[in-house]
Amino acid sequence: DIQMTQSPSSLSASIGDRVSITCRASQGISNYLAWYQQKAGRVPKLLIYAASTLQSGVPSRFSGSGSGTDFTLTISSLQPEDVATYYCQKCNSAPLTFGGGTKVEIK
Amino acid sequence: EVHLLESGGGLVQPGGSLRLSCAASGFTFSNHAMSWVRQAPGKGLEWVSGITGSGGSTYYADSVKGRFTIFRDNSKNTLYLQMNSLRGEDTAAYYCAKAPVAAIFGNWFDPWGQGTLVTVSS
Repeated sequence: DIQMTQSPSSLSASIGDRVSITCRASQGISNYLAWYQQKAGRVPKLLIYAASTLQSGVPSRFSGSGSGTDFTLTISSLQPEDVATYYCQKCNSAPLTFGGGTKVEIK
Repeated sequence: EVHLLESGGGLVQPGGSLRLSCAASGFTFSNHAMSWVRQAPGKGLEWVSGITGSGGSTYYADSVKGRFTIFRDNSKNTLYLQMNSLRGEDTAAYYCAKAPVAAIFGNWFDPWGQGTLVTVSS
């Protein structure tokens, strides 16, 4: 099975900072990757699909890039409401594996 | 508005069974694949199982294969997860999630239900 590895597992950054989270697949998955945001005690929310397409209603400070095995979620200017855990997920074939998550906090 | 409401969670002894339901509204249910995703307390997300819009194809994580069965009743707009031979490691919040089309693969999950908690303990 294809493994999904996220890094870092946690990060602390200042308001306004540019933040990047990496997701690496153990085999190529083309652009079949989604990103989700889960705030504490809340349900996961879709941010980006097809590696780089922003879900409707998601702030434009979020962006996704990558193809094949290496993907990145970027928050261009970190805001207080972005405190959450972020997960990547491969969508090409079973199992639809999630990455381990990246917890984002404010410094 | 799309709405997914899970039910059926609770406390069950190891080796026991439980059936989860996910009632869907606000969209043409049979046109969309559905999945179950779980999250153990304080842990990350784990995809459990998925089913195509017609119900004709089903898929499982290795951790539940042979013990869990996903199925749907499109006439009732309801998704199910029959869970047998439950283990302590199955303790988690279970979410149902909708895919944008009838196919499972190549697609993402949006939205998710609020989840139902399953606790496996003696």
